Amino acid sequence: QKEVEQNSGPLSVPEGAIASLNCTYSDRGSQSFFWYRQYSGKSPELIMSIYSNGDKEDGRFTAQLNKASQYVSLLIRDSQPSDSATYLCAPEPPGGGADGLTFGKGTHLIIQP
Amino acid sequence: GAVVSQHPSRVICKSGTSVKIECRSLDFQATTMFWYRQFPKQSLMLMATSNEGSKATYEQGVEKDKFLINHASLTLSTLTVTSAHPEDSSFYICSARAGGYTGELFFGEGSRLTVL
Repeated sequence: QKEVEQNSGPLSVPEGAIASLNCTYSDRGSQSFFWYRQYSGKSPELIMSIYSNGDKEDGRFTAQLNKASQYVSLLIRDSQPSDSATYLCAPEPPGGGADGLTFGKGTHLIIQP
Repeated sequence: GAVVSQHPSRVICKSGTSVKIECRSLDFQATTMFWYRQFPKQSLMLMATSNEGSKATYEQGVEKDKFLINHASLTLSTLTVTSAHPEDSSFYICSARAGGYTGELFFGEGSRLTVL
């Protein structure tokens, strides 16, 4: 059974600091990974995708992937109050896009002004 | 990114009635759409996969006779909650991939259903 594990938090980070969000997954066949941000009462929106081992940077966001350890993380630099949200991790099914994404429970991030 | 639109955004109904939620891909065609449900403080749970021109496939534990899915065109899928009860109150969200069979999911705005 596919499993995605995230620390539900809340994770409280001071404004301007680095927020580190972690995710582990059980399916070794997963090749692509997505981070979504979900504000309270809203639907998820894509923040980052990563396909290769290592780091991928996009603005203040950096995704890190380690397939050997089945671990993916998201770093948010210079955290802003507007980053306060729930962050969801999702690996793409090994079989491609005929299946939906399985999401972790999400990490509730709070940026303290 | 690709745009998925959902309607209505909020609906309140009486117990025993049926509610239809529409999901449209506005700038791409989607042979497959995915319906999720999210209860308060819970994660998104995949309910079913909607397939254009064929029957939907449902996740384990989801009643296909209660949650009717129709995907009659490449840009429209509908979810009908039949004989809704208070325990069906939830946030229903549809999604689709714009690039065919790979890539990220794009989500609709979601529909919050409250059953009295």
